[in-house]
Amino acid sequence: DQQVKQNSPSLSVQEGRISILNCDYTNSMFDYFLWYKKYPAEGPTFLISISSIKDKNEDGRFTVFLNKSAKHLSLHIVPSQPGDSAVYFCAATSGGNKLVFGAGTILRVKS
Amino acid sequence: ETGVTQSPTHLIKTRGQQVTLRCSSQSGHNTVSWYQQALGQGPQFIFQYYREEENGRGNFPPRFSGLQFPNYSSELNVNALELDDSALYLCASSNQGVDYGYTFGSGTRLTVV
Repeated sequence: DQQVKQNSPSLSVQEGRISILNCDYTNSMFDYFLWYKKYPAEGPTFLISISSIKDKNEDGRFTVFLNKSAKHLSLHIVPSQPGDSAVYFCAATSGGNKLVFGAGTILRVKS
Repeated sequence: ETGVTQSPTHLIKTRGQQVTLRCSSQSGHNTVSWYQQALGQGPQFIFQYYREEENGRGNFPPRFSGLQFPNYSSELNVNALELDDSALYLCASSNQGVDYGYTFGSGTRLTVV
């Protein structure tokens, strides 16, 4: 039972353009959502998060949007840079006890 | 502020053997969680330890067990290794009751042959 889904295995974007990574979830009890970035041979690194009581959170080039009615969130990266090339994981939690991850999206930013 | 450190980084074991993976949590963090990441998948929650006790468990068999020590470091033990146990094992520390900030280590790559 995949409670968090990232339906795009990969995404390729030109440097300077916007990258949009999508995530869908099924569990309405999730109250906090996080995005992690992962480089090869490293652990996931926290990027940005959003509480279920908000619909948008922004941190520099990164913005996360949450649509609770659609059970959908997205991560926008503007402008995209080659160093953003990595695997991006969407994760969700209910009460902070454990994180439920999606399968990840490989982002390639071409220069 | 030190991050989460895991040891060893790589390990090869034979089917049926036992393995112990270690994790030192980030300073100031009191909770440790373990995740298994198989190839091409996202990390899957194994269990969490808080105040030296198991505080939640995912869908993993009892041959996966753990410990948390008074200094908040932790061990993951896997008995009777199976080929499907081959994966990246990630440790994450956090501050229970403070925030949802999980800091991950770089993981231990376990290969079972």
